[in-house]
Amino acid sequence: DTGVSQDPRHKITKRGQNVTFRCDPISEHNRLYWYRQTLGQGPEFLTYFQNEAQLEKSRLLSDRFSAERPKGSFSTLEIQRTEQGDSAMYLCASSPAKKINYGYTFGSGTRLTVV
Amino acid sequence: AQTVTQSQPEMSVQEAETVTLSCTYDTSENNYYLFWYKQPPSRQMILVIRQEAYKQQNATENRFSVNFQKAAKSFSLKISDSQLGDTAMYFCAFRAGSYQLTFGKGTKLSVIP
Repeated sequence: DTGVSQDPRHKITKRGQNVTFRCDPISEHNRLYWYRQTLGQGPEFLTYFQNEAQLEKSRLLSDRFSAERPKGSFSTLEIQRTEQGDSAMYLCASSPAKKINYGYTFGSGTRLTVV
Repeated sequence: AQTVTQSQPEMSVQEAETVTLSCTYDTSENNYYLFWYKQPPSRQMILVIRQEAYKQQNATENRFSVNFQKAAKSFSLKISDSQLGDTAMYFCAFRAGSYQLTFGKGTKLSVIP
């Protein structure tokens, strides 16, 4: 297992377009998290899955954002009608069912630029 | 709501020297966990060290150690024998109850040869 994979690494899109990002967690990790990191800030929590169930969502996750994890494995994060304020690094992380307090394993992120 | 404050936006240290990064947090919880993460330029975030609030003993991982002061709500990171590969953004993070981590804004550390 090579860790948490995110695709694409970079995405440039025009304002108003829809974009979708993918995250493949470590295979034995049943918990998956999405965070957003803007320039000069620490990551901010967006949403959390345990298996296929989305258990927690931040108020940062507006109606234009939707996340899925249909089979409890990979996850997708879709942003509809992108705005310039959506430009950020989108980080995915995963953790096992036990040892949650050992911290997460993060992916390298998808950097989104909305022009 | 929990908050995490890192008051040093940037720091630098000479190679082989020791540097301490500061972190304070605010919470009404009694049981929680604290973490330091390292984010090298254009690379993924890596867990450096973790501390359980119920443990009085400060955590240590090789050249990295923490000074955890629960009453003062302080959680500083000490890096000994700094190496060029330690150059990165360092984030302090907090977790209690919920699974979400709350991060500080980070400290950019530069190790100077």
